[in-house]
Amino acid sequence: SQTIHQWPATLVQPVGSPLSLECTVEGTSNPNLYWYRQAAGRGLQLLFYSVGIGQISSEVPQNLSASRPQDRQFILSSKKLLLSDSGFYLCAWTGLAVSGANVLTFGAGSRLTVL
Amino acid sequence: GENVEQHPSTLSVQEGDSAVIKCTYSDSASNYFPWYKQELGKRPQLIIDIRSNVGEKKDQRIAVTLNKTAKHFSLHITETQPEDSAVYFCAAGFQKLVFGTGTRLLVSP
Repeated sequence: SQTIHQWPATLVQPVGSPLSLECTVEGTSNPNLYWYRQAAGRGLQLLFYSVGIGQISSEVPQNLSASRPQDRQFILSSKKLLLSDSGFYLCAWTGLAVSGANVLTFGAGSRLTVL
Repeated sequence: GENVEQHPSTLSVQEGDSAVIKCTYSDSASNYFPWYKQELGKRPQLIIDIRSNVGEKKDQRIAVTLNKTAKHFSLHITETQPEDSAVYFCAAGFQKLVFGTGTRLLVSP
Protein backbone atom coordinates (compact mmCIF):
# COMPACT_ATOMS: atom_id res chain seq x y z
CA SER A 1 0.00 0.00 0.00
CA GLN A 2 1.02 3.58 -0.52
CA THR A 3 2.30 5.72 2.32
CA ILE A 4 3.51 9.30 2.55
CA HIS A 5 6.13 10.49 5.01
CA GLN A 6 6.81 14.08 5.92
CA TRP A 7 9.37 15.54 8.31
CA PRO A 8 10.13 17.20 10.56
CA ALA A 9 6.77 17.23 12.32
CA THR A 10 7.44 20.48 14.16
CA LEU A 11 10.14 23.10 14.06
CA VAL A 12 10.81 26.53 15.47
CA GLN A 13 13.11 28.71 13.42
CA PRO A 14 14.41 32.28 13.77
CA VAL A 15 13.65 34.88 11.14
CA GLY A 16 16.29 34.81 8.41
CA SER A 17 17.23 31.18 8.90
CA PRO A 18 16.95 28.56 6.13
CA LEU A 19 14.26 25.90 5.85
CA SER A 20 14.07 22.41 4.45
CA LEU A 21 10.97 20.20 4.68
CA GLU A 22 11.05 16.78 3.11
CA CYS A 23 8.35 14.48 1.82
CA THR A 24 8.61 10.97 0.40
CA VAL A 25 6.01 8.61 -0.99
CA GLU A 26 6.29 4.83 -0.88
CA GLY A 27 4.47 2.13 -2.78
CA THR A 28 3.81 4.01 -5.99
CA SER A 29 5.69 5.42 -8.94
CA ASN A 30 5.44 8.73 -10.79
CA PRO A 31 3.02 10.34 -8.34
CA ASN A 32 1.87 13.93 -8.65
CA LEU A 33 3.22 15.74 -5.57
CA TYR A 34 1.95 18.88 -3.87
CA TRP A 35 2.88 21.31 -1.11
CA TYR A 36 0.04 23.12 0.66
CA ARG A 37 0.24 25.64 3.48
CA GLN A 38 -2.38 26.26 6.11
CA ALA A 39 -2.06 29.42 8.19
CA ALA A 40 -3.57 29.28 11.69
CA GLY A 41 -7.35 28.92 11.43
CA ARG A 42 -7.27 29.32 7.69
CA GLY A 43 -7.78 27.27 4.54
CA LEU A 44 -5.39 25.25 2.42
CA GLN A 45 -3.27 27.23 -0.01
CA LEU A 46 -1.55 25.36 -2.85
CA LEU A 47 2.11 26.40 -3.01
CA PHE A 48 3.73 24.04 -5.51
CA TYR A 49 2.94 20.94 -7.48
CA SER A 50 5.04 18.54 -9.53
CA VAL A 51 4.13 16.00 -12.17
CA GLY A 52 7.65 14.56 -12.53
CA ILE A 53 11.32 14.80 -11.59
CA GLY A 54 12.57 18.36 -11.94
CA GLN A 55 9.12 19.64 -12.95
CA ILE A 56 7.83 22.24 -10.50
CA SER A 57 4.86 24.56 -10.89
CA SER A 58 4.61 27.49 -8.51
CA GLU A 59 1.17 28.74 -7.62
CA VAL A 60 1.97 31.91 -5.69
CA PRO A 61 5.01 34.18 -5.61
CA GLN A 62 6.65 33.87 -2.23
CA ASN A 63 9.74 33.29 -0.18
CA LEU A 64 9.73 29.53 -0.78
CA SER A 65 10.95 27.12 -3.43
CA ALA A 66 10.40 23.43 -4.15
CA SER A 67 12.47 20.70 -5.73
CA ARG A 68 11.90 17.13 -6.82
CA PRO A 69 15.29 15.43 -7.06
CA GLN A 70 13.83 11.92 -7.19
CA ASP A 71 10.56 10.43 -8.39
CA ARG A 72 9.07 10.05 -4.90
CA GLN A 73 10.82 12.88 -3.07
CA PHE A 74 9.57 16.45 -2.77
CA ILE A 75 11.41 19.16 -0.84
CA LEU A 76 10.23 22.59 0.28
CA SER A 77 12.94 25.14 0.99
CA SER A 78 13.63 28.71 1.92
CA LYS A 79 16.91 30.59 2.10
CA LYS A 80 15.66 33.16 4.62
CA LEU A 81 12.46 32.65 6.58
CA LEU A 82 9.98 35.44 7.25
CA LEU A 83 7.51 35.68 10.13
CA SER A 84 4.72 35.22 7.59
CA ASP A 85 6.11 31.80 6.65
CA SER A 86 4.74 30.35 9.89
CA GLY A 87 2.05 27.74 9.33
CA PHE A 88 1.15 24.11 8.88
CA TYR A 89 2.77 22.67 5.76
CA LEU A 90 1.19 19.66 4.15
CA CYS A 91 2.69 17.45 1.50
CA ALA A 92 0.24 15.46 -0.62
CA TRP A 93 0.22 13.05 -3.52
CA THR A 94 -2.08 11.64 -6.19
CA GLY A 95 -1.58 8.69 -8.49
CA LEU A 96 -1.35 8.88 -12.26
CA ALA A 97 -4.38 10.71 -13.60
CA VAL A 98 -6.06 8.58 -16.24
CA SER A 99 -9.01 10.87 -16.75
CA GLY A 100 -9.46 13.67 -14.28
CA ALA A 101 -7.91 14.06 -10.86
CA ASN A 102 -7.17 11.18 -8.56
CA VAL A 103 -7.60 11.13 -4.81
CA LEU A 104 -5.36 13.57 -2.95
CA THR A 105 -3.75 12.07 0.17
CA PHE A 106 -1.99 14.25 2.72
CA GLY A 107 1.06 13.64 4.85
CA ALA A 108 0.89 14.28 8.58
CA GLY A 109 2.11 17.84 8.19
CA SER A 110 4.99 19.99 9.44
CA ARG A 111 4.18 22.78 11.86
CA LEU A 112 6.59 25.70 11.37
CA THR A 113 6.86 28.59 13.80
CA VAL A 114 9.10 31.47 12.79
CA LEU A 115 10.15 33.73 15.67
CA GLY B 1 -7.55 29.77 -12.46
CA GLU B 2 -10.04 28.00 -10.24
CA ASN B 3 -11.68 29.85 -7.34
CA VAL B 4 -13.71 28.02 -4.70
CA GLU B 5 -16.02 29.74 -2.23
CA GLN B 6 -17.42 27.91 0.80
CA HIS B 7 -20.27 28.80 3.16
CA PRO B 8 -20.93 29.05 6.01
CA SER B 9 -17.63 29.61 7.80
CA THR B 10 -19.08 28.26 11.04
CA LEU B 11 -22.08 26.04 11.66
CA SER B 12 -23.52 25.00 15.02
CA VAL B 13 -26.16 22.26 15.23
CA GLN B 14 -27.71 20.06 17.86
CA GLU B 15 -26.92 16.36 17.89
CA GLY B 16 -29.29 14.55 15.54
CA ASP B 17 -29.87 17.57 13.30
CA SER B 18 -28.71 17.78 9.69
CA ALA B 19 -25.86 20.00 8.50
CA VAL B 20 -25.38 21.41 5.00
CA ILE B 21 -22.23 23.06 3.66
CA LYS B 22 -22.21 24.71 0.24
CA CYS B 23 -19.44 25.49 -2.23
CA THR B 24 -19.25 27.21 -5.58
CA TYR B 25 -16.48 27.02 -8.14
CA SER B 26 -15.52 29.07 -11.16
CA ASP B 27 -13.66 26.84 -13.63
CA SER B 28 -15.95 24.76 -15.84
CA ALA B 29 -12.99 22.44 -16.58
CA SER B 30 -12.98 21.18 -12.98
CA ASN B 31 -14.28 17.62 -12.86
CA TYR B 32 -13.43 16.36 -9.39
CA PHE B 33 -15.02 17.60 -6.16
CA PRO B 34 -13.82 16.06 -2.88
CA TRP B 35 -14.70 16.91 0.70
CA TYR B 36 -12.17 16.69 3.53
CA LYS B 37 -12.57 16.62 7.29
CA GLN B 38 -9.82 18.06 9.47
CA GLU B 39 -9.70 17.56 13.22
CA LEU B 40 -7.64 19.92 15.35
CA GLY B 41 -3.92 19.57 14.66
CA LYS B 42 -4.40 16.71 12.22
CA ARG B 43 -4.12 16.29 8.48
CA PRO B 44 -7.24 16.64 6.29
CA GLN B 45 -8.88 13.30 5.57
CA LEU B 46 -11.05 12.55 2.53
CA ILE B 47 -14.62 11.73 3.55
CA ILE B 48 -16.44 11.68 0.22
CA ASP B 49 -15.89 12.79 -3.37
CA ILE B 50 -17.85 13.17 -6.56
CA ARG B 51 -16.87 13.38 -10.20
CA SER B 52 -18.53 15.55 -12.80
CA ASN B 53 -20.41 12.72 -14.48
CA VAL B 54 -22.39 12.06 -11.28
CA GLY B 55 -25.02 14.31 -9.70
CA GLU B 56 -25.24 12.78 -6.25
CA LYS B 57 -23.33 10.32 -4.08
CA LYS B 58 -24.15 8.96 -0.66
CA ASP B 59 -22.14 7.11 1.98
CA GLN B 60 -24.12 6.28 5.12
CA ARG B 61 -24.83 9.63 6.87
CA ILE B 62 -23.01 11.83 4.39
CA ALA B 63 -23.97 12.78 0.86
CA VAL B 64 -22.68 15.17 -1.77
CA THR B 65 -24.64 16.78 -4.60
CA LEU B 66 -23.23 18.49 -7.67
CA ASN B 67 -24.86 20.95 -10.05
CA LYS B 68 -22.43 21.50 -12.92
CA THR B 69 -24.65 23.99 -14.68
CA ALA B 70 -24.74 26.27 -11.66
CA LYS B 71 -21.17 25.34 -10.62
CA HIS B 72 -22.04 24.47 -7.06
CA PHE B 73 -21.82 21.40 -4.86
CA SER B 74 -22.91 20.65 -1.32
CA LEU B 75 -22.14 18.32 1.58
CA HIS B 76 -25.03 16.96 3.60
CA ILE B 77 -24.56 15.28 6.97
CA THR B 78 -27.63 13.70 8.57
CA GLU B 79 -28.13 12.60 12.18
CA THR B 80 -25.08 14.57 13.28
CA GLN B 81 -23.02 13.31 16.21
CA PRO B 82 -20.52 15.14 18.45
CA GLU B 83 -17.66 13.33 16.71
CA ASP B 84 -18.68 15.06 13.47
CA SER B 85 -17.33 18.29 15.01
CA ALA B 86 -14.36 19.39 12.87
CA VAL B 87 -13.42 21.70 10.03
CA TYR B 88 -14.71 20.62 6.62
CA PHE B 89 -13.13 21.67 3.33
CA CYS B 90 -14.51 21.41 -0.16
CA ALA B 91 -12.22 21.40 -3.18
CA ALA B 92 -12.50 21.51 -6.95
CA GLY B 93 -10.12 20.90 -9.78
CA PHE B 94 -8.66 18.64 -12.41
CA GLN B 95 -4.94 17.99 -12.06
CA LYS B 96 -4.60 20.22 -9.01
CA LEU B 97 -7.17 20.94 -6.33
CA VAL B 98 -8.17 24.35 -5.05
CA PHE B 99 -9.73 24.32 -1.60
CA GLY B 100 -12.47 26.38 -0.04
CA THR B 101 -11.80 28.33 3.14
CA GLY B 102 -13.37 25.73 5.40
CA THR B 103 -16.44 25.36 7.61
CA ARG B 104 -16.10 24.81 11.33
CA LEU B 105 -18.91 22.45 12.34
CA LEU B 106 -19.83 22.18 16.01
CA VAL B 107 -22.28 19.49 17.06
CA SER B 108 -23.62 19.98 20.57
CA PRO B 109 -24.89 17.00 22.60
